[in-house]
Amino acid sequence: GAGVSQSPSNKVTEKGKDVELRCDPISGHTALYWYRQSLGQGLEFLIYFQGNSAPDKSGLPSDRFSAERTGGSVSTLTIQRTQQEDSAVYLCASSRDSYEQYFGPGTRLTVT
Amino acid sequence: GNSVTQMEGPVTLSEEAFLTINCTYTATGYPSLFWYVQYPGEGLQLLLKATKADDKGSNKGFEATYRKETTSFHLEKGSVQVSDSAVYFCALNPRGSGNTGKLIFGQGTTLQVKP
Repeated sequence: GAGVSQSPSNKVTEKGKDVELRCDPISGHTALYWYRQSLGQGLEFLIYFQGNSAPDKSGLPSDRFSAERTGGSVSTLTIQRTQQEDSAVYLCASSRDSYEQYFGPGTRLTVT
Repeated sequence: GNSVTQMEGPVTLSEEAFLTINCTYTATGYPSLFWYVQYPGEGLQLLLKATKADDKGSNKGFEATYRKETTSFHLEKGSVQVSDSAVYFCALNPRGSGNTGKLIFGQGTTLQVKP
């Protein structure tokens, strides 16, 4: 079946612009996670959704970062007023039971 | 708190050599443990998992045993191939009451296998 998909695969933006990253989880997976992979920080958890609710936002690095999930399916991660330190690969994962997570290919964000 | 420590890379081996990538963890309670692999230009793929002490996860010739007494989950393969060249991540899921399932990752170990 279809895996987790993310779009765009690559995004180059100018400092100060807003960006939206999209994640389509595996159908039927109620849990959805966003992670960030950067050279200096490795793989970091950002936010967790169960259905449309986000009971754990503890990994969001600043109030410029927000995320939503609609219909228990698609999720969008928004970064406002992007900074160079936001450059990273943003990974989305989904899970049926908050145990075994399946990852998408990621969105590589470059802030110039 | 919860944390994962992996051996530093890069690890360079010749084809058919034996592989060990060390992973140790710190966790409260009884976490689940995972190895993920990231091939060049791709996302993370689950390689193997273990949910309790003495469980052995295995897949594609790779194995790892959940050792509670040494808080370790070392990855091994008896004979590596060039196609195994990738970055390997050890991770834990703390589980337990109130846990959200978020994964805590080690820093990753790059493996390069030469023909």
